[in-house]
Amino acid sequence: EVQLVESGGGLVQPGGSLRLSCAASGFTLRNYWMGWVRQAPGKGLEWVADIMKDGGTKKYMDSVRGRFTISRDNSKNSVYLQMNSLREEDTAIYYCVRDTDYYIVDQWGQGTLVTVSS
Amino acid sequence: QSALTQPPSASGSPGQSITITCTGTSRDVGAYRYVSWYQQHPGKAPKLIISEVSKRPSGVPDRFFGSKSGSTASLTVSGLQAEDEADYYCCSYAGDNNLGVFGSGTKVTVL
Repeated sequence: EVQLVESGGGLVQPGGSLRLSCAASGFTLRNYWMGWVRQAPGKGLEWVADIMKDGGTKKYMDSVRGRFTISRDNSKNSVYLQMNSLREEDTAIYYCVRDTDYYIVDQWGQGTLVTVSS
Repeated sequence: QSALTQPPSASGSPGQSITITCTGTSRDVGAYRYVSWYQQHPGKAPKLIISEVSKRPSGVPDRFFGSKSGSTASLTVSGLQAEDEADYYCCSYAGDNNLGVFGSGTKVTVL
């Protein structure tokens, strides 16, 4: 069974940092692009970042570029999102997703809540 | 990259059909066949119901039908059932230099 399990969310003050982790199982991670999609409370979905199968190419939404870093370790079946200089507007549920190319997501994690507040 | 435009809400009675539109531009929906649709029930993660404009993943009922004309994609749900009450989002590829772009979302109510 394919599973994506996020961890690392929580409450952080503005300007702080968090590192989200995504543990993948049930499939060969190195065969897929992976990404993070977020959803602010009561709002829609947004692509945050995406990373190529071997980690060679990374893409970011404009508002997080330079603050967030997506990475992966295929040997550990894991994907990460390092979030620095967090802002209140980054408050959202962050979903780890499997991207079957062209931003078609066929697997979603359960999500982890990040709250940025003083 | 601006969100694709969806109507905020749609509704229908059990057994009826509804269609949700997803309007983009010639740089996203109009340029590629990589449009997908997701269903999200309250408090749950989204679920893929349509990929590549009109392909249904295994297990998705054939009541869900996707199509595209120009820069507008559409999701039709026929034979509405109570369990179809959810939020629906479209998403489109927008070229190699961009992330995918989601629609603004449509809340479907089964009357």
